[in-house]
Amino acid sequence: QKEVEQNSGPLSVPEGAIASLNCTYSDRGSQSFFWYRQYSGKSPELIMSIYSNGDKEDGRFTAQLNKASQYVSLLIRDSQPSDSATYLCAVRTGANSKLTFGKGITLSVRP
Amino acid sequence: NAGVTQTPKFQVLKTGQSMTLQCAQDMNHNSMYWYRQDPGMGLRLIYYSASEGTTDKGEVPNGYNVSRLNKREFSLRLESAAPSQTSVYFCASSGLLAGGTDTQYFGPGTRLTVL
Repeated sequence: QKEVEQNSGPLSVPEGAIASLNCTYSDRGSQSFFWYRQYSGKSPELIMSIYSNGDKEDGRFTAQLNKASQYVSLLIRDSQPSDSATYLCAVRTGANSKLTFGKGITLSVRP
Repeated sequence: NAGVTQTPKFQVLKTGQSMTLQCAQDMNHNSMYWYRQDPGMGLRLIYYSASEGTTDKGEVPNGYNVSRLNKREFSLRLESAAPSQTSVYFCASSGLLAGGTDTQYFGPGTRLTVL
């Protein structure tokens, strides 16, 4: 069974710090990796996607992928209180567009 | 362009009642999905439809049925609601990102309580 694990959390960081969110996956055939942000009472929204080993940066967000270690992470620099949310890691395996989601990590940024 | 829309936003049912959750997307996506989200359980796939006319079971299909009415609409039906089906239900559709791969876009959700 394909699994996506997000074991660390909840996470609390002070405003301006770097928040590091981690995710591991079980299926070595996984091809695409996504981070969704979900505010309380709202639906998940896509914030980052990554497909190749290494880092991908978008503003204050950096996604990191290591396929050999089956590990994907999200770094949030200069964390803001508005970043307080649950972050869901999602993994796509195979030709169809189904995603497997982790259970999420709740981030709290303290002013 | 409304994206993915869901109705109703909130619903309270009594055990044994039936209801249909409606979902529509205006992005011309082929694939659509129904998830439930429970505290501590993450998003779990109930059913999905890879294209108009096809549906397949996901991780937790028991107690649910679906209909892919046309390319835009994908409905979820609870024939005899049970308290265990109290949850938040999200519909999603899958479309292309820049770079050629695709990902899922979510509707606002339906908050269902079964008493």
